[in-house]
Amino acid sequence: GDSVTQTEGLVTLTEGLPVMLNCTYQSTYSPFLFWYVQHLNEAPKLLLKSFTDNKRPEHQGFHATLHKSSSSFHLQKSSAQLSDSALYYCALSPPMNYNQGKLIFGQGTKLSIKP
Amino acid sequence: EAAVTQSPRNKVAVTGGKVTLSCNQTNNHNNMYWYRQDTGHGLRLIHYSYGAGSTEKGDIPDGYKASRPSQENFSLILELATPSQTSVYFCASGELDQDTQYFGPGTRLLVL
Repeated sequence: GDSVTQTEGLVTLTEGLPVMLNCTYQSTYSPFLFWYVQHLNEAPKLLLKSFTDNKRPEHQGFHATLHKSSSSFHLQKSSAQLSDSALYYCALSPPMNYNQGKLIFGQGTKLSIKP
Repeated sequence: EAAVTQSPRNKVAVTGGKVTLSCNQTNNHNNMYWYRQDTGHGLRLIHYSYGAGSTEKGDIPDGYKASRPSQENFSLILELATPSQTSVYFCASGELDQDTQYFGPGTRLLVL
């Protein structure tokens, strides 16, 4: 079955350094990939979503590139901010024809930014 | 902005007791979902629904039931709560052709 793997449970960085959170996936189809972000005591919310035309999605300084050859959708930002501290989930959704409306989430990566 | 609310926000229950978690959405979305969130496991799907009257099993449905009496409301029912069901529960709504899911604020459940 489809699955998403986030290998890092916790990533700790100093403010101003680049961020990269890893996400790899397994899927029978060519899925859509997502990053959701959850700040402390808040609900998860969509950060960005892969496009069908290979454009690179960007939001709030974060971007991610879908690499089908390596089944990866790593999240990157050039310079971390204290406000980026949160729990980040990678998720996948199979194409609509094969999708029951479900998202498959990874285990989550906690990003902690230090001054 | 999408609006999903959950009640109660916090709940303490006893082992063997019945617990009902409620979710309401004003987005007019057809799909609704219940997840539980546990460290190291991420968000795991318990039950979901395509519309009023429908419920479907997710990935971890054992010990849980769901009810969708209307487009707006989706409940998660623990008939006989166990300590292993201590967790944070999130409800979400969405549409099949839009992929994005909108989450509620969560319910913290402690089963003693």
